[in-house]
Amino acid sequence: EPEVTQTPSHQVTQMGQEVILRCVPISNHLYFYWYRQILGQKVEFLVSFYNNEISEKSEIFDDQFSVERPDGSNFTLKIRSTKLEDSAMYFCASRTSGSKSDEQYFGPGTRLTVT
Amino acid sequence: LAKTTQPISMDSYEGQEVNITCSHNNIATNDYITWYQQFPSQGPRFIIQGYKTKVTNEVASLFIPADRKSSTLSLPRVSLSDTAVYYCLATLRTGGFKTIFGAGTRLFVKA
Repeated sequence: EPEVTQTPSHQVTQMGQEVILRCVPISNHLYFYWYRQILGQKVEFLVSFYNNEISEKSEIFDDQFSVERPDGSNFTLKIRSTKLEDSAMYFCASRTSGSKSDEQYFGPGTRLTVT
Repeated sequence: LAKTTQPISMDSYEGQEVNITCSHNNIATNDYITWYQQFPSQGPRFIIQGYKTKVTNEVASLFIPADRKSSTLSLPRVSLSDTAVYYCLATLRTGGFKTIFGAGTRLFVKA
């Protein structure tokens, strides 16, 4: 069964550093999402991406965040200058345009630890 | 998208049927009810989606009354491996560009 993959599984970085989280969505999917989940809290929507542009973003997704689909297979989330409060699990998800339901496929996540 | 409200937690025993109710008083005409399951340290996994009446798949059933102000996810004969957080969401049928997860219901299945 096709799956969404994410790398790295765990990233440790120092405050102020830039990080890039990588995702490979399912190959025929056209809608891409990033979410984050702070330990013990709910899943929070960050951004959605379709047709090579951001479709929607939340108030969390400020100027420190950016997304890119550089090569038609990878989907990346960049945090320019990490803060302690960016420590969380980051999940990538994708969805096909032909779906008859809102079934998003989530990756296993990247645990980001900012020290 | 309508806000949804669920119980914070539920306990059950193996083999029992579990019903998790979600209220969504302000659900819009275009909103569907979608349920996801999340195990610790994993991404959410789609379970089921419905608009009204009853939907059943190999994993669960979803009951939505005519007024659509609430819905009930039914898990038949749960096992220990069904211990997870279950999220009820209001979404557009074929998905939209923004998905709002609530706090979810933490189901704990005991032996």
